[in-house]
Amino acid sequence: GQQVMQIPQYQHVQEGEDFTTYCNSSTTLSNIQWYKQRPGGHPVFLIQLVKSGEVKKQKRLTFQFGEAKKNSSLHITATQTTDVGTYFCAGATTSGTYKYIFGTGTRLKVLA
Amino acid sequence: NAGVTQTPKFQVLKTGQSMTLQCAQDMNHEYMSWYRQDPGMGLRLIHYSVGAGITDQGEVPNGYNVSRSTTEDFPLRLLSAAPSQTSVYFCASSYEGRGAETQYFGPGTRLLVL
Repeated sequence: GQQVMQIPQYQHVQEGEDFTTYCNSSTTLSNIQWYKQRPGGHPVFLIQLVKSGEVKKQKRLTFQFGEAKKNSSLHITATQTTDVGTYFCAGATTSGTYKYIFGTGTRLKVLA
Repeated sequence: NAGVTQTPKFQVLKTGQSMTLQCAQDMNHEYMSWYRQDPGMGLRLIHYSVGAGITDQGEVPNGYNVSRSTTEDFPLRLLSAAPSQTSVYFCASSYEGRGAETQYFGPGTRLLVL
C-alpha cells in the first residue's frame, strides 16, 4: 500500500539553528498538507501544497512540494523554543477518495 | 463554535469490553474521519465519512465500526476491545474532504485496554 516516510525521526537543535524535515511518498500525491503537534496536543494544520514545484512561506517556515509530487519538505529558519513539537506531513491519494496518509513525523526539540 | 469535540478524554477498558468514542463538530463539515496515533507510527486512518449515511474504510479498520446518521456526529465503536487497540484516537473534520481543505482535529481520546 501507499507509504509516506519522513526523515529524520528526531532532531535536536540549538535555538537559532535551522531545521528541515523531509517527506517522501511511494506514490504520486494530489496534494500534501503539513501539521504541527505539540506534546500532549492534537495536530494543527499549517499549510497545504497542491501544485508541482510549489513553494509557500509562513514567516520563518518554508514549505516545498516536489516536481514529481512525491516529496515535500518543511524548513524552519532560526528555530525558537516555540517551534518544539512533532511535524507531520499528510498526503492525499490520487485515487479519488482523498484519504490522507500521514507520515511518521519528525519530533523537534529546541535547546535554549 | 466549539469546533471538533471528543468524549471521553480518557478511558480504561478490559479486554473484550465494548465502547463508543464520541465525535461531534459544529462547523457543518461534510467530511469526518477517525485516526489512531501510536508512538513512532504517526496517525493512521481508521474510517472516514464523506457525508451523512456514507462511510468507508481507511488503513486500519479491523475491530472498529462507524456510522454517520447526522452531519454533526461520527461515533467510533469498539466491538470487543483488545490490548492492541490501546492508542490515542483523534477525530477530524473538513468542509468537503476533496483533498483541498484543512482538517480540524479534536483533542483526542486516550484509550488503555488491559
